[in-house]
Amino acid sequence: AQKVTQAQTEISVVEKEDVTLDCVYETRDTTYYLFWYKQPPSGELVFLIRRNSFDEQNEISGRYSWNFQKSTSSFNFTITASQVVDSAVYFCALKEGSTNAGKSTFGDGTTLTVKP
Amino acid sequence: GAVVSQHPSWVICKSGTSVKIECRSLDFQATTMFWYRQFPKQSLMLMATSNEGSKATYEQGVEKDKFLINHASLTLSTLTVTSAHPEDSSFYICSAAGQALRTEAFFGQGTRLTVV
Repeated sequence: AQKVTQAQTEISVVEKEDVTLDCVYETRDTTYYLFWYKQPPSGELVFLIRRNSFDEQNEISGRYSWNFQKSTSSFNFTITASQVVDSAVYFCALKEGSTNAGKSTFGDGTTLTVKP
Repeated sequence: GAVVSQHPSWVICKSGTSVKIECRSLDFQATTMFWYRQFPKQSLMLMATSNEGSKATYEQGVEKDKFLINHASLTLSTLTVTSAHPEDSSFYICSAAGQALRTEAFFGQGTRLTVV
């Protein structure tokens, strides 16, 4: 069975600080996909990144970066120089299999508050 | 990315009535659609998976007679909450995946249902 653990329920930082959101996953599949989503108060899920199980290369997109380590089953997300607009709930998700029929399992989410 | 439109974005209904939520893929054919429910300050929980032209597969604990899912075409799936009660009040989100979009399912904007 799949499981995604986001141990940090809430994080509060001051603007311009760096912050890392942790994500640890469990799966028996050898092929899987990991995602991060941002959910602002409006509720819509905003897609941030997708990473497949065969690609451990870390990725940077502007102030966002992701560290994928299969050895520790972790897919952590770092926001550099945080801004108030980054305040939201962030979800890590795991999608099984190599077909589009694989369902996604979400972590419980981390509520990030960035204070001015 | 592909666009998924969910309608309505919010709805208030009286207890005992039924509510239909639509999920449309606007620029791709969605062979599989997923329906999630999210209670306040909680994660997304998969309710059911529907494949075009076949019966939906419900997750354990989800009443299929209460949450009717229809996926009659490659661009439309509907979720009908029958005989709604206040405990059905929640945020419902759909996602859609197509044969050509093997790695990712795209999310609708969500529907906030309030049963009074």
